[in-house]
Amino acid sequence: AQSVTQPDIHITVSEGASLELRCNYSYGATPYLFWYVQSPGQGLQLLLKYFSGDTLVQGIKGFEAEFKRSQSSFNLRKPSVHWSDAAEYFCAVVRGNAGNMLTFGGGTRLMVKP
Amino acid sequence: EAGVAQSPRYKIIEKRQSVAFWCNPISGHATLYWYQQILGQGPKLLIQFQNNGVVDDSQLPKDRFSAERLKGVDSTLKIQPAKLEDSAVYLCASSWGRGGRRTEAFFGQGTRLTVV
Repeated sequence: AQSVTQPDIHITVSEGASLELRCNYSYGATPYLFWYVQSPGQGLQLLLKYFSGDTLVQGIKGFEAEFKRSQSSFNLRKPSVHWSDAAEYFCAVVRGNAGNMLTFGGGTRLMVKP
Repeated sequence: EAGVAQSPRYKIIEKRQSVAFWCNPISGHATLYWYQQILGQGPKLLIQFQNNGVVDDSQLPKDRFSAERLKGVDSTLKIQPAKLEDSAVYLCASSWGRGGRRTEAFFGQGTRLTVV
């Protein structure tokens, strides 16, 4: 069975500082990988996705993520955080075949200090 | 392009009552998902439809939860009878299909259920 781990439940960063949110998955083959953001009372918005090819993917709102096969990781980064980035971030994984089931990690809540 | 529509946005019921949620996916999306998101946790898949057939319902508590997707478009999720632990946000999502790049899922805003 596949699983997704987000080791950090809460992270606080200062506005303007850099950010890295960690995501690890357990699955034998290369899965499809996603990062979603959820603001309070809202649904999930896709930030970026990785299917194949270049392991560094760019997303919306200045976010990027890097797929590292050797570490089974897909960490999300942003060079300079804005106060509006405060939200919950979810990493998700789909097996790369027809039997897709989108499996989510537990989420990381990001707080931004002024 | 219209997104995934869900209703109602909020619902408060007493335990042992029944409740139903409705979802209208993005037009043309063959795959529809219902997720349960308990406060402080990531979404958990309850059921996945491909057109009007069930692909995966292994995590659906079938003694009290049921879901259908008539005509392969809209879907309803029902809970009967509700328990306190069913308090959660119920998210509906849809995607073009299964496999490959069609797996990108688009989410509705969810229905927040409170069972008292």
